[in-house]
Amino acid sequence: SAVISQKPSRDICQRGTSLTIQCQVDSQVTMMFWYRQQPGQSLTLIATANQGSEATYESGFVIDKFPISRPNLTFSTLTVSNMSPEDSSIYLCSVGSGGGTQETQYFGPGTRLLVL
Amino acid sequence: QKEVEQDPGPLSVPEGAIVSLNCTYSNSAFQYFMWYRQYSRKGPELLMYTYSSGNKEDGRFTAQVDKSSKYISLFIRDSQPSDSATYLCAMQEGGSYIPTFGRGTSLIVHP
Repeated sequence: SAVISQKPSRDICQRGTSLTIQCQVDSQVTMMFWYRQQPGQSLTLIATANQGSEATYESGFVIDKFPISRPNLTFSTLTVSNMSPEDSSIYLCSVGSGGGTQETQYFGPGTRLLVL
Repeated sequence: QKEVEQDPGPLSVPEGAIVSLNCTYSNSAFQYFMWYRQYSRKGPELLMYTYSSGNKEDGRFTAQVDKSSKYISLFIRDSQPSDSATYLCAMQEGGSYIPTFGRGTSLIVHP
């Protein structure tokens, strides 16, 4: 499985500011995903990021609030814009397993965000 | 009704006990079933991956899928304090890259 790192691991931010989270993978992958995990809730997919194309956002998530970059096959960023306390959560990036027609997902360690 | 239901617990058991973790689902198109383990302050780690119905065993862990009942289970034998974590079930339709996750069950194994 791929080794995935995220920066920062945690942060405390003021409302109205923006934070960019980085995700680095040790191998080239086609599909990268960004999730949000709120306490007591299941993982919620924010968007799918493929290299060379615009990210695909899930219902309830918009590009203006969560812009994503995918400049190459090993790196992606997620920005949480104009933050409010409701954005306090764990943000996870994941990658597909890369094999065959059915892929499972492997996750990074997460970024713990607290918005005051 | 959510597509995947999972009791959040916490489930507290003594060391050495057999643990049973379960999920139910409503989408009959799910064909792939996964269990992830998530330690505190860590990302989810893929533990078991099963296609369709049946059992799969890996060491102390057994994953069981009953598609007729839309019910999956993860059994942990001889549980250890190091098994204390949150266990998330996840399911995927055939041809989909996006799993649907349960809320996770918090497991505490006390010495």
